[in-house]
Amino acid sequence: AQSVTQPDIHITVSEGASLELRCNYSYGATPYLFWYVQSPGQGLQLLLKYFSGDTLVQGIKGFEAEFKRSQSSFNLRKPSVHWSDAAEYFCAVRPGGSYIPTFGRGTSLIVHP
Amino acid sequence: KAGVTQTPRYLIKTRGQQVTLSCSPISGHRSVSWYQQTPGQGLQFLFEYFSETQRNKGNFPGRFSGRQFSNSRSEMNVSTLELGDSALYLCASSADRGGDTEAFFGQGTRLTVV
Repeated sequence: AQSVTQPDIHITVSEGASLELRCNYSYGATPYLFWYVQSPGQGLQLLLKYFSGDTLVQGIKGFEAEFKRSQSSFNLRKPSVHWSDAAEYFCAVRPGGSYIPTFGRGTSLIVHP
Repeated sequence: KAGVTQTPRYLIKTRGQQVTLSCSPISGHRSVSWYQQTPGQGLQFLFEYFSETQRNKGNFPGRFSGRQFSNSRSEMNVSTLELGDSALYLCASSADRGGDTEAFFGQGTRLTVV
C-alpha cells in the first residue's frame, strides 16, 4: 500500500542547532513531494516542493530538502534553527497520476533556548 | 492576493445537530479539497471539488457531504454530529488539478461537538 512515514513524532533541538526531519514514502514511481509547517491553531503553510529536476530544493524560512530516489526519502533540513521554527511539520506525497496528496503523521519540533 | 478563507474559525455544536463550514479559495483557483485533522488520525482527506463537481471522496460516512459553487467557493456539511467529529477541518485550494500544482491551506475551522 502507498504510504508516507515520518519516523519521528517529536524532535527537540537547541536554538542555533541544525535540524533534519525525515520523510520516507512508498510509491511505485517518483511522486510529487511537499513539506508543510503548521503552527498551533493554524492551517498548513507550504515550505517547499519537489516536482522534478535538481534534487536539492530550497524553500522559505531557510529550509531545504533533498530528494533521494534510491532511499525513497525527502528529508527536510535547516542549518540553524530559530525559536520561531517550533511547530508541526508534515511531509506530503502525491503520486503522478493522483490528484490527492497523502500526508505523514507529522513531526512536532520543540526548540529549546 | 487574499489567501484561503474559512468560516467560521470556531464552532461548538451538540451531538445530533448538523453543521455547515465554508471555504473561499484563492481568487482564480478552481480546485478545493477538504481535510479532517485530529490528533489520533492525523490529516485525512474528505473530498475534492473541481468545476462544481466532486472528483474524489475519502473514506468517510455519508453524513459528510459538500458542494462547490460556480465562483469556486465550497461548503461542507456534516449531519447528525457525533463526538468523534470534533476536529480541525481544513480547506485547501489549487489553481488546477494534478501535475505541478500546489495546494494552499486555510486556517481551518475548529469544530467541537459536545
